[in-house]
Amino acid sequence: DAGVIQSPRHEVTEMGQEVTLRCKPISGHDYLFWYRQTMMRGLELLIYFNNNVPIDDSGMPEDRFSAKMPNASFSTLKIQPSEPRDSAVYFCASSSQTGGRLAGYNEQFFGPGTRLTVL
Amino acid sequence: KNQVEQSPQSLIILEGKNCTLQCNYTVSPFSNLRWYKQDTGRGPVSLTIMTFSENTKSNGRYTATLDADTKQSSLHITASQLSDSASYICVVRERTGANNLFFGTGTRLTVIP
Repeated sequence: DAGVIQSPRHEVTEMGQEVTLRCKPISGHDYLFWYRQTMMRGLELLIYFNNNVPIDDSGMPEDRFSAKMPNASFSTLKIQPSEPRDSAVYFCASSSQTGGRLAGYNEQFFGPGTRLTVL
Repeated sequence: KNQVEQSPQSLIILEGKNCTLQCNYTVSPFSNLRWYKQDTGRGPVSLTIMTFSENTKSNGRYTATLDADTKQSSLHITASQLSDSASYICVVRERTGANNLFFGTGTRLTVIP
């Protein structure tokens, strides 16, 4: 398996522009997570999906951020309009829930991230 | 308030030396604690997971300890190598229906020759 795939790896855009980040989770994984990482705040969970359904989006900073998962193999995180303070590395991760006693122990596998710079 | 604090924030050591990274948490109720290694420009990769009943666990030259009473964990790296240069992130999972995760801000380790 190629692991979690994210694109683009780097994105530079101007303030006010729309940005779309893409993620392909590991095949067979039923959980998908979007994170943002900055030097000041570290890793922050933005939203996660289970079986393509958004479960918790309480980490999404504001209405400018939206995420979709139209099928089990693809998710997008969109920022519209983008602002300089959105500059960060955005990670996608996926995991598989085995259920039962081990539920919640499952390892998340992270993609390589998208480094976003908003000028 | 559920929090995870790591220390030191950064660390520089000579190749071949040992080091210990600390993680203190207030997350309750506790489910498990993971240590991740994040190489520059890459996503985090899990090194080890500690559950409530486990005190120590090793993964090669990495040994993690957990004291659930004092809510402290450490990651000990033995005979460091240049490839150990990375950020090490402590992540604690809450034992609730939501299974929330709480992230430390990481320790940046630099191993120099």
